[in-house]
Amino acid sequence: SQTIHQWPATLVQPVGSPLSLECTVEGTSNPNLYWYRQAAGRGLQLLFYSVGIGQISSEVPQNLSASRPQDRQFILSSKKLLLSDSGFYLCAWRTASSGNTIYFGEGSWLTVV
Amino acid sequence: GENVEQHPSTLSVQEGDSAVIKCTYSDSASNYFPWYKQELGKRPQLIIDIRSNVGEKKDQRIAVTLNKTAKHFSLHITETQPEDSAVYFCAGFTGGFKTIFGAGTRLFVKA
Repeated sequence: SQTIHQWPATLVQPVGSPLSLECTVEGTSNPNLYWYRQAAGRGLQLLFYSVGIGQISSEVPQNLSASRPQDRQFILSSKKLLLSDSGFYLCAWRTASSGNTIYFGEGSWLTVV
Repeated sequence: GENVEQHPSTLSVQEGDSAVIKCTYSDSASNYFPWYKQELGKRPQLIIDIRSNVGEKKDQRIAVTLNKTAKHFSLHITETQPEDSAVYFCAGFTGGFKTIFGAGTRLFVKA
């Protein structure tokens, strides 16, 4: 069965520091991968999605970037964090076998101080 | 692109009562509508979904209805229990790569 791992689970970073969140999917190949962000008490904002290695589509222009160096690996990065980057970051995946359903990783809580 | 609106933003019901959450979508090409439940501090998890060729789907105490003409769909929870308290998200999928979510409904079930 497919599983998704996301880390770190929690991190506190100072303003202006870099960020790297990583997500790995197991048990499937060629998934569509997604990064969503959820501000405290708010909805799910799609940040990036990827349909293949090296293919990244950005939904919201900001100081974040994403990369997909391997088929089942998706990385969210920032060179300099802002206070407004705080939130709950969720990686998600979808494949042909999952139909149109996307499944979320356990999430990463980011607090920028 | 697709836009999904969800209401109410907050819903409070007495245990045992029913709860209804409504969503509307803008893209008539949308063909798949999942509902997710998110408990505090956890990831959203799929609870039920419906495809555009179906008008209603039930799973125990949960049901979803779809009106393609009016472009709206609803989640119905009967005999609510305290453990139903959570945030519920509706979503729409047009067949491309993106799933667009509503803003969420915070459901409180009072014992």
